[in-house]
Amino acid sequence: AQKVTQAQTEISVVEKEDVTLDCVYETRDTTYYLFWYKQPPSGELVFLIRRNSFDEQNEISGRYSWNFQKSTSSFNFTITASQVVDSAVYFCALTDSGGGADGLTFGKGTHLIIQP
Amino acid sequence: NAGVTQTPKFQVLKTGQSMTLQCAQDMNHEYMSWYRQDPGMGLRLIHYSVGAGITDQGEVPNGYNVSRSTTEDFPLRLLSAAPSQTSVYFCASSWGQGAYEQYFGPGTRLTVT
Repeated sequence: AQKVTQAQTEISVVEKEDVTLDCVYETRDTTYYLFWYKQPPSGELVFLIRRNSFDEQNEISGRYSWNFQKSTSSFNFTITASQVVDSAVYFCALTDSGGGADGLTFGKGTHLIIQP
Repeated sequence: NAGVTQTPKFQVLKTGQSMTLQCAQDMNHEYMSWYRQDPGMGLRLIHYSVGAGITDQGEVPNGYNVSRSTTEDFPLRLLSAAPSQTSVYFCASSWGQGAYEQYFGPGTRLTVT
């Protein structure tokens, strides 16, 4: 069975600080896909990134960066110079190549609060 | 291009009532799914469909039915609502399972009293 653990339930930082959201996953599959989604206060789910299990390159997109490490089964997300608009719940999710009855397995989410 | 649409946005039901949550997508996606989001639980898969005429159960299917008569529509039916079904429901679609990005609808907030 697949599992995603986001141990940080809530993080509060002051604007302009850097913040890292942790994600640890478990799967027996050798081919799998990891995702990060953002859920702002308005409630919709916004796709941020997808990473497959064969690509361990880190990714940077503006102030966002992702660190994928298979050795520690982690896919951490860092926001540099945080802004109030980054306040949201962030979900890490996992699926294998078949999807199936597991679909996307989500972590419980990390509520990020950026204080002005 | 509306993406994934869901109706209604909010609904209050009494225990034992039935209703259908509507979901439609205009991206010609084959794969559609329903998730429920409960506080502190993340999202959990209820049912999914890999194409018109094909549906299957996810992690938490009890109390829900689905059908997929067209590529565009994937309604979720609550046959006899229970307070445990109070949740936010998200419909999603994608080109397929696995690697593909899931496009989520705006959600339906359901309260069962």
